[in-house]
Amino acid sequence: KAGVTQTPRYLIKTRGQQVTLSCSPISGHRSVSWYQQTPGQGLQFLFEYFSETQRNKGNFPGRFSGRQFSNSRSEMNVSTLELGDSALYLCASLKAGQSSRYTGELFFGEGSRLTVL
Amino acid sequence: GENVEQHPSTLSVQEGDSAVIKCTYSDSASNYFPWYKQELGKRPQLIIDIRSNVGEKKDQRIAVTLNKTAKHFSLHITETQPEDSAVYFCAANSNFGNEKLTFGTGTRLTIIP
Repeated sequence: KAGVTQTPRYLIKTRGQQVTLSCSPISGHRSVSWYQQTPGQGLQFLFEYFSETQRNKGNFPGRFSGRQFSNSRSEMNVSTLELGDSALYLCASLKAGQSSRYTGELFFGEGSRLTVL
Repeated sequence: GENVEQHPSTLSVQEGDSAVIKCTYSDSASNYFPWYKQELGKRPQLIIDIRSNVGEKKDQRIAVTLNKTAKHFSLHITETQPEDSAVYFCAANSNFGNEKLTFGTGTRLTIIP
C-alpha cells in the first residue's frame, strides 16, 4: 500500500508570494490533517479535512487555507508569504470514521520544506 | 484548547542506559496519548500509544505510563541503542470541540556510544 505522498518536497519563495502544497493520503483514508513543523515549536496543527469538509482548525491566520477533493487528496495554500512561514509542512492521513475522536495512527508524509526569502 | 508540555527538550544518555521523557496535558477529557518518533530527515512515525483505560503499556524496550489524576504521561526507553537517537513527540487528543491531536514540542534524544 502506497504511503502518504506530498509534493513538492522542497520549494523556495519570496515574501508576498503564495504557495500551494499537495497531499495524497493512503488509499481508503478519508481524513487529512496538516501540521507546521519548526525548530523548537514541534508540530502545530493547521487544519483537518474529512469528506471534503474542514472539520477542525488550529490557531493560524486566515492566510493559511486548505481544501480536500472527492478523492481525499488535499491541498493547503499560504498567501502573502512571510519569513516566519518558513517551515516543514507535514500532512497526515487517518482512517477516521464519520465522528471519531483521534484514537488511531496518523500516517505522515515526508513533508514539504518551504523556505521564504 | 488542549495544551501539551514536554520535557526535557534535549536528552543525552549512554548507550545501554534508560531514557525517560515526560509530558503533561490540560484537557481532562483527553483519552488517547500517542508517541511519535522522528529520525533525522524522516517523517514522524507512531511508536506506541496508550488509552485512558490503562495505566501502562509495554512494547519490548519501550513503555508508556499514564497518570490521569495528575494529567501526565511518560515514555520510557530501556537498554538504549544508537538507533534510538531521534526526536520524540508526545501528543494528546482533545474534546474541546476539536477532534485533533495536540503535540508537545519534542525531545531530541541522543544516545552516546
